[in-house]
Amino acid sequence: DQQVKQNSPSLSVQEGRISILNCDYTNSMFDYFLWYKKYPAEGPTFLISISSIKDKNEDGRFTVFLNKSAKHLSLHIVPSQPGDSAVYFCAASPTGNQFYFGTGTSLTVIP
Amino acid sequence: ETGVTQTPRHLVMGMTNKKSLKCEQHLGHNAMYWYKQSAKKPLELMFVYSLEERVENNSVPSRFSPECPNSSHLFLHLHTLQPEDSALYLCASSPFMGAEETQYFGPGTRLLVL
Repeated sequence: DQQVKQNSPSLSVQEGRISILNCDYTNSMFDYFLWYKKYPAEGPTFLISISSIKDKNEDGRFTVFLNKSAKHLSLHIVPSQPGDSAVYFCAASPTGNQFYFGTGTSLTVIP
Repeated sequence: ETGVTQTPRHLVMGMTNKKSLKCEQHLGHNAMYWYKQSAKKPLELMFVYSLEERVENNSVPSRFSPECPNSSHLFLHLHTLQPEDSALYLCASSPFMGAEETQYFGPGTRLLVL
């Protein structure tokens, strides 16, 4: 059974608008969360992270929100740019040895 | 060359073949990982090595055999694979093991087992 779920396989957003990617998890022991971005024919690259002691972490245009009671994580990209078009994976870890990944959401930013 | 490299990028093999995937990191990291990504499934951690010692083996069948001869190189030896083993195999490294250690991924090897 998947412990990290990304229920939207794809998302299209107009350039300049906000992109919101969602992630849900089931394991209350998860205490560290990450987002990765993947372009075709490349490996995932780290984007932003958040630990369970925070509910928000911001890095430039990217903000990750954590709602522990709802076991929900979201990534906001604003303003969205065509170069942001990629597959975004969320991942969660209870211990640090093991990360559990979602299946990814493919974001298309339309110029 | 910098980052994490993987060779070959694509591999087609029969079920009776023996092949190896190679991963090399030029980042001075001490932890290395093998992941498998099957179609429409999440990345699954297969093996973790820290300072050349295997510390995690997620119930991976013995037809997959990892080897970490030094902290810069990681191999995945394949033998008598099944068609369901066809997937993208990703290698990653991080400075040390730990949740807050960012993992850097290679581009992956796309494996097809016939």
